[in-house]
Amino acid sequence: ILNVEQSPQSLHVQEGDSTNFTCSFPSSNFYALHWYRWETAKSPEALFVMTLNGDEKKKGRISATLNTKEGYSYLYIKGSQPEDSATYLCAYLPLDSSYKLIFGSGTRLLVRP
Amino acid sequence: ETGVTQTPRHLVMGMTNKKSLKCEQHLGHNAMYWYKQSAKKPLELMFVYSLEERVENNSVPSRFSPECPNSSHLFLHLHTLQPEDSALYLCASSQDEPGQNTGELFFGEGSRLTVL
Repeated sequence: ILNVEQSPQSLHVQEGDSTNFTCSFPSSNFYALHWYRWETAKSPEALFVMTLNGDEKKKGRISATLNTKEGYSYLYIKGSQPEDSATYLCAYLPLDSSYKLIFGSGTRLLVRP
Repeated sequence: ETGVTQTPRHLVMGMTNKKSLKCEQHLGHNAMYWYKQSAKKPLELMFVYSLEERVENNSVPSRFSPECPNSSHLFLHLHTLQPEDSALYLCASSQDEPGQNTGELFFGEGSRLTVL
């Protein structure tokens, strides 16, 4: 059974705080890891697609790292803003499946002004 | 037009009804997907079409019937559903290259289905 675990389930922070979440996935048979941001009543939007061990990607105040050998990825948000409030999903793509992204349950972030 | 459009956004149906969900993508992508999101569960892949051929059927009950008439349109036909089928149904598309696995998904806003 392929499981993708995300922690914490939810997180409340104050505006200006920096925060990070974890995504754990099977370290064998790895092809790619995706991060998505899903605001309430909107569609999920891709943040990053990562494939290489040691990869680090950045988009504005959001960055992500990838460790395929141990099976985890971190997502960091620097100086959280209320507009960062959303559910952050990670999804693991095994090597032997062209289409079957396996999603975690997400981390729900609420940033208080 | 936004990238991926789903209609209707909300649907309430009885167990004996037949209805359809529609998805349209304006991105020129060659793969389209149906995902299901039930309360407190991760997104579950239901169907994948690549170049209008169904390539993945994730053991979904036959009361859900997909149709992909061309690379821009995807339907999910619903009949004799059960209350536990109530969920958010998300459509997505991606551009896949030969020999490579899927790139990022572009999602619609979803169709919220309630089965009475």
